[in-house]
Amino acid sequence: DARVTQTPRDKVTEMGQEVTMRCQPILGHNTVFWYRQTMKQGLELLAYFRNRAPLDDSGMPKDRFSAEMPDATLATLKIQPSEPRDSAVYFCASGPDSSSTDTQYFGPGTRLTVL
Amino acid sequence: AQSVTQLGSHVSVSEGALVLLRCNYSSSVPPYLFWYVQYPNQGLQLLLKYTTGATLVKGINGFEAEFKKSETSFHLTKPSAHMSDAAEYFCAVSDTGGFKTIFGAGTRLFVKA
Repeated sequence: DARVTQTPRDKVTEMGQEVTMRCQPILGHNTVFWYRQTMKQGLELLAYFRNRAPLDDSGMPKDRFSAEMPDATLATLKIQPSEPRDSAVYFCASGPDSSSTDTQYFGPGTRLTVL
Repeated sequence: AQSVTQLGSHVSVSEGALVLLRCNYSSSVPPYLFWYVQYPNQGLQLLLKYTTGATLVKGINGFEAEFKKSETSFHLTKPSAHMSDAAEYFCAVSDTGGFKTIFGAGTRLFVKA
């Protein structure tokens, strides 16, 4: 049963620290998405990749957030420096094809708390 | 620009009662429509989707949704609620030309015994 995996599942850090979240998409999927979920804003799209190339990262605060796909099996989301307002659950999702009809397969999320 | 509106952030039903979760969309092109479910401490998973063809779509766990173009709606229904249906449900829309999926704010379903 193929699944998207995310590490760590929970992260507590102090303001100003660097945070790196990792995602392993389902093997063979060529589209990867990063979302942030908060009670206030709901589910927000931060960035997405197709064939490892960033297609859109307009939802991401550029000064502190960065997203990369070093290879087809790993996507990373970094926050440097982190701030309390970054506290949220971050989801990675992958899709099998570059199509609007794609189902997105979500990972379990990384719960980030910035103190 | 596309958008999705889910009416009611919380819906409460009794076990065995009809479930109706409302979703209206806005799209300038023929939309693709999705319903996802999120159980506590988990990621979202697909319930069903409409792309083309039959407007009544059946999904997992007994859920179905009907695409009504004239009403720009894609409401989710289930004839008889089960305790295990308690979760948050998200309606989403994507267009024929892009990769982005726009999610609604979500509706939390409570099921009372």
